[in-house]
Amino acid sequence: ILNVEQSPQSLHVQEGDSTNFTCSFPSSNFYALHWYRWETAKSPEALFVMTLNGDEKKKGRISATLNTKEGYSYLYIKGSQPEDSATYLCALNTGFQKLVFGTGTRLLVSP
Amino acid sequence: ETGVTQSPTHLIKTRGQQVTLRCSSQSGHNTVSWYQQALGQGPQFIFQYYREEENGRGNFPPRFSGLQFPNYSSELNVNALELDDSALYLCASSRASGDNEQFFGPGTRLTVL
Repeated sequence: ILNVEQSPQSLHVQEGDSTNFTCSFPSSNFYALHWYRWETAKSPEALFVMTLNGDEKKKGRISATLNTKEGYSYLYIKGSQPEDSATYLCALNTGFQKLVFGTGTRLLVSP
Repeated sequence: ETGVTQSPTHLIKTRGQQVTLRCSSQSGHNTVSWYQQALGQGPQFIFQYYREEENGRGNFPPRFSGLQFPNYSSELNVNALELDDSALYLCASSRASGDNEQFFGPGTRLTVL
């Protein structure tokens, strides 16, 4: 069973702080790694889809890297804003679009 | 382009009952996947439907079943509800089974008493 781990479980930062989370996985046997941003009572929103070792993606103040050889992906948020408060999920696409999710990192950004 | 919608938003059932949850996929998408998110866990894959056929299943018992209709909307049916079935049920649609991008609905919160 593929186990996707995310750390930390939760994080509380001040507005303007930069922060990062980790997604760890034991195997490189997957098709893609997905990052989702999920605000309470809304739909999970796709941030990035990463497929290759060394992939780096960026969207505004948020960026992500993928290291399949060592089994991790980092998500960075530069200059956090209160609207960044959400749960950030990573998931591995193991084929047929079956996503194996981690338990998420809950971020709270205080003004 | 309309997004993925789910109904109902939430519902309460008692143990032993049956429930049907509905999902309308995003326009142009022919693949729907269903996930269960229990409290404190990440979403768990239940199954996927592609062009009205089941196309992959997670570790869920047969009392979890589904349908996909010609317009690619989908239903998740759960028979003989158990307390542990209380969870948020998410559906996600994509353009094709091999497409990397999945778009999620807001979920249906099921409580089993």
